[in-house]
Amino acid sequence: GENVEQHPSTLSVQEGDSAVIKCTYSDSASNYFPWYKQELGKGPQLIIDIRSNVGEKKDQRIAVTLNKTAKHFSLHITETQPEDSAVYFCAATSGGYQKVTFGTGTKLQVIP
Amino acid sequence: GAVVSQHPSRVICKSGTSVKIECRSLDFQATTMFWYRQFPKKSLMLMATSNEGSKATYEQGVEKDKFLINHASLTLSTLTVTSAHPEDSSFYICSAIPGQGVYGYTFGSGTRLTVV
Repeated sequence: GENVEQHPSTLSVQEGDSAVIKCTYSDSASNYFPWYKQELGKGPQLIIDIRSNVGEKKDQRIAVTLNKTAKHFSLHITETQPEDSAVYFCAATSGGYQKVTFGTGTKLQVIP
Repeated sequence: GAVVSQHPSRVICKSGTSVKIECRSLDFQATTMFWYRQFPKKSLMLMATSNEGSKATYEQGVEKDKFLINHASLTLSTLTVTSAHPEDSSFYICSAIPGQGVYGYTFGSGTRLTVV
């Protein structure tokens, strides 16, 4: 089955700096890679996603890159703000109704 | 956008009792829903896949007689924790896919279960 590894487990940055979270996956059949933000006591919220036919996707301060050959993908947050503080999960799936495999999570702390 | 409502958000129950958690898709029909369990500071662990009108598919190691799943309609799936014990205390989250051919999952807000 799919195995998703995520690094780092914790990340502290100064407000305004950039944050990068990296994930690797094992199943070459995976073709959809969402990123979720989870605030304390809440369910995960989709913040950005990318499909395997795309190498990069950007949405304002958030971007995701995918290297299908190397089987790794990354989340980039620029100009970080305190409200970006949360736990971020990467995930991989082959889409449709297939189950999604989550990474282990990264706790991001943005220091004002 | 697609919304998944989960209820209750928090529940405290006594050992030996059963607790039902509801997961509703508010503005779309969900043939398939998923139930996850999340331990503190850990990732989401898939417990089972709930299929409308049929039996749920449980992941290895998940007791189907303890975690009863019912998906009786296209907008509602329920998870019942039977004969709850303190070790069942956890954060339970459901998710659904808004439509066929759509890849993204929408998650509920989660239920914090505490068994005392």
